[in-house]
Amino acid sequence: GQQVMQIPQYQHVQEGEDFTTYCNSSTTLSNIQWYKQRPGGHPVFLIQLVKSGEVKKQKRLTFQFGEAKKNSSLHITATQTTDVGTYFCAGMSSNTGKLIFGQGTTLQVKP
Amino acid sequence: DAGVIQSPRHEVTEMGQEVTLRCKPISGHDYLFWYRQTMMRGLELLIYFNNNVPIDDSGMPEDRFSAKMPNASFSTLKIQPSEPRDSAVYFCASSLGVVAVEAFFGQGTRLTVV
Repeated sequence: GQQVMQIPQYQHVQEGEDFTTYCNSSTTLSNIQWYKQRPGGHPVFLIQLVKSGEVKKQKRLTFQFGEAKKNSSLHITATQTTDVGTYFCAGMSSNTGKLIFGQGTTLQVKP
Repeated sequence: DAGVIQSPRHEVTEMGQEVTLRCKPISGHDYLFWYRQTMMRGLELLIYFNNNVPIDDSGMPEDRFSAKMPNASFSTLKIQPSEPRDSAVYFCASSLGVVAVEAFFGQGTRLTVV
């Protein structure tokens, strides 16, 4: 079945350093969403990418959708302690219409 | 709107007991999803409903799990009998549509089966 793989699983950075998480799907996606889950919290929607090669920015966060619509990345510039949490990509399959979550990347930021 | 409301927030039960988790979606949302989150398996989609009708339950782990949506404002996920390996955080989410729309998650129910 469809799989969405996310790497790395964990990332520890010093405050001010950059951070990137990568998401790869075994099948072509109709769109991809990114969510953030704070420790002890619930996933909260960040953004959605629909078009091939799309790039969107939210302040220090940059989201990209691959040309083949099978991969995506989230890059955070100059991390802050408020960025701590687990970032999930979630791919919508073109075939099934189901939203499949990646395993998530847990970000720790040392002040 | 108060968002997606789940109850209880925490549930501790003994193995073999029946457990019922409850969810109230955001008013007007026509899709409702049940997810299970564990360290080992991450966020797994168990089942989702459209207009109160179950559309895909292929993620439901076994016959011990069942979900219902008797009306647009209420859904339940039942585990009977419960087992220790069912211990997880169960999230309910709702959305307007299923394609290219964000899902709004509830606070989750942390289930511990001892």
